Amino acid sequence: DGGITQSPKYLFRKEGQNVTLSCEQNLNHDAMYWYRQDPGQGLRLIYYSQIVNDFQKGDIAEGYSVSREKKESFPLTVTSAQKNPTAFYLCASSIIGKTGLVQQYFGPGTRLTVT
Amino acid sequence: GQQLNQSPQSMFIQEGEDVSMNCTSSSIFNTWLWYKQEPGEGPVLLIALYKAGELTSNGRLTAQFGITRKDSFLNISASIPSDVGIYFCAGQSGANSKLTFGKGITLSVRP
Repeated sequence: DGGITQSPKYLFRKEGQNVTLSCEQNLNHDAMYWYRQDPGQGLRLIYYSQIVNDFQKGDIAEGYSVSREKKESFPLTVTSAQKNPTAFYLCASSIIGKTGLVQQYFGPGTRLTVT
Repeated sequence: GQQLNQSPQSMFIQEGEDVSMNCTSSSIFNTWLWYKQEPGEGPVLLIALYKAGELTSNGRLTAQFGITRKDSFLNISASIPSDVGIYFCAGQSGANSKLTFGKGITLSVRP
């Protein structure tokens, strides 16, 4: 089965702890993304990577970090510097054509709760 | 920055009715995508549009890429209860692969 996997589905952490969210894809897509979704809000881009070993900040990168050591993996670390970390986190990947993005697909999401 | 406008925030329809949603922007986009999200799940891609004026169907869903390249429309015909969810539009412009998302429309279908 081809697709995007995120684990775990639910994650609980104490305030002040860093936590890493996993995202793996076996679609052979070049680009990968992390979004944050809060109730009643759209999707806000945290970080994205269009190629291995390279990534760019999105609109709300503060308090987050990523790595892209392998094409199929794009883990997101929510650091203790992130002021409001409780949210639904979505990973996505896409094919990039000659004129830009072709299609973008999402994983099932991880709900992070920090208390 | 770029923004996509989707309104109203919520729509309530009767089973069997058709429903139309639109997505507008002040900026031009090269690609329009429509997604559906169910509670606690990731968005699922419904339709992708690549050319101005393009009309594409996926079962009971039909979407159009506006001629001005600043809007897109999604129509759902003969709605059924499982159409319930949040419908997002997204647009892409330039060579960068980033998407801009609308805030979504929550669709409720009364049996």
